[in-house]
Parts: sequence; C-alpha cells; structure tokens
Amino acid sequence: DTAVSQTPKYLVTQMGNDKSIKCEQNLGHDTMYWYKQDSKKFLKIMFSYNNKELIINETVPNRFSPKSPDKAHLNLHINSLELGDSAVYFCASSQVSRLKGTQYFGPGTRLLVL
Amino acid sequence: SQQGEEDPQALSIQEGENATMNCSYKTSINNLQWYRQNSGRGLVHLILIRSNEREKHSGRLRVTLDTSKKSSSLLITASRAADTASYFCATDPNTGTASKLTFGTGTRLQVTL
Repeated sequence: DTAVSQTPKYLVTQMGNDKSIKCEQNLGHDTMYWYKQDSKKFLKIMFSYNNKELIINETVPNRFSPKSPDKAHLNLHINSLELGDSAVYFCASSQVSRLKGTQYFGPGTRLLVL
Repeated sequence: SQQGEEDPQALSIQEGENATMNCSYKTSINNLQWYRQNSGRGLVHLILIRSNEREKHSGRLRVTLDTSKKSSSLLITASRAADTASYFCATDPNTGTASKLTFGTGTRLQVTL
C-alpha cells in the first residue's frame, strides 16, 4: 500500500550514460514533483506536473527531461550524466484542491555517477 | 540564496526534553510547512501553518509563525529517541495550481536515552 514509490532505489552509473528514474503514486493526487537533494541535504525543486501538464520548471540543465504519461506517474530521464548529478532524487505528490501544499514524498533514488 | 535558514543546524538533547528549531525565510508566503526526514528515507509532512495563523498544535508538536519577522519555530515536547531525524521547514508562496516549496537547510535532531 505504498503511497509514493520510486524505482530504482539505488543507481550507480558511469559518466556520460543516460538513465531514467520512475515514480508512481496511488493517492489519486493531481500534482507530482521531482526534487534533488545534494550531499549537504539541501532539497531543491526541479519540476512539477499538474494533470500531466508541466507547471514548474526550475533552472535545470536540459539534460533532465521529465515525462508524465498519466496523473499517477512522473518519470525523470537524464542524458549524458555528469559527476555533479550525483544526489538523491525525490518524487512527491500533492492534491492542490485539498490540503493544499501538503506533499507526500517517495523514498528517494540515490544516484551515484562515477 | 536559500529561502529558509534553520537554526540550529544540529541539536542534541536527552529523551524527555523539549526541542526547539527555528526557521527564517525571505519572501512572502501562503503557508509554511515542517517536514521530518529520517536517515536514508523520504520526507514526511508534519504540520502546515497558513500565513494568517500564528500558532498550531499537532500532538507533541507546536508551530508558531511570525510573518512580520518572517520566522517560524517548531517545538517538540517530551522528545523520544524516535524523534531523531532531520527537520526541514518549507515555504510555499503560491496560490496557484502547485505548491512550489522552498526548503530550509534543516536541523539535525539527536535524542539520546
């Protein structure tokens, strides 16, 4: 009965590779987010989708491309991975019409680029 | 620069004591939220306080908000070892279709037996 799930949990890859992270929520929420948490635990929003529409797109390299096939899924594809992309990536979801602002986070995907 | 700055960065207390964490922010907000993150885990929402509220309680948690000083505090009473975690404040300026949360730097709380 996991609310927000992410796969994979760990991802170790070489510089220059392309990788994807997947996120699914079963809460019936209409909005999903991607966050990046660096080694100093600083958490910063990257993207947000509302009903499959991109509504928040922060200053993120265009090597990062989110895709939302439906309201329950938000994937993140990263091209040409760089050392600085090593971080923990969190997916989150919320229902903006109810309990506005409260976000539910996934367990995170720990990405290590070698 | 970061929106939220939290103070202290780290706090170590004994079980049963109270823990107080502070958060300062820079721009106007719609609401402010507190989240907990256990080591190696995702964030868990604790409490949300709206800009027109001054104080809110939830169990052993008490949150205050002073919009004139752009600051908030989180008080955890009668702390337990299970409260050991990092605590983040997050501000939401939006009234639109998404909550664009800006997180603080976090306070690492250690509760010892």
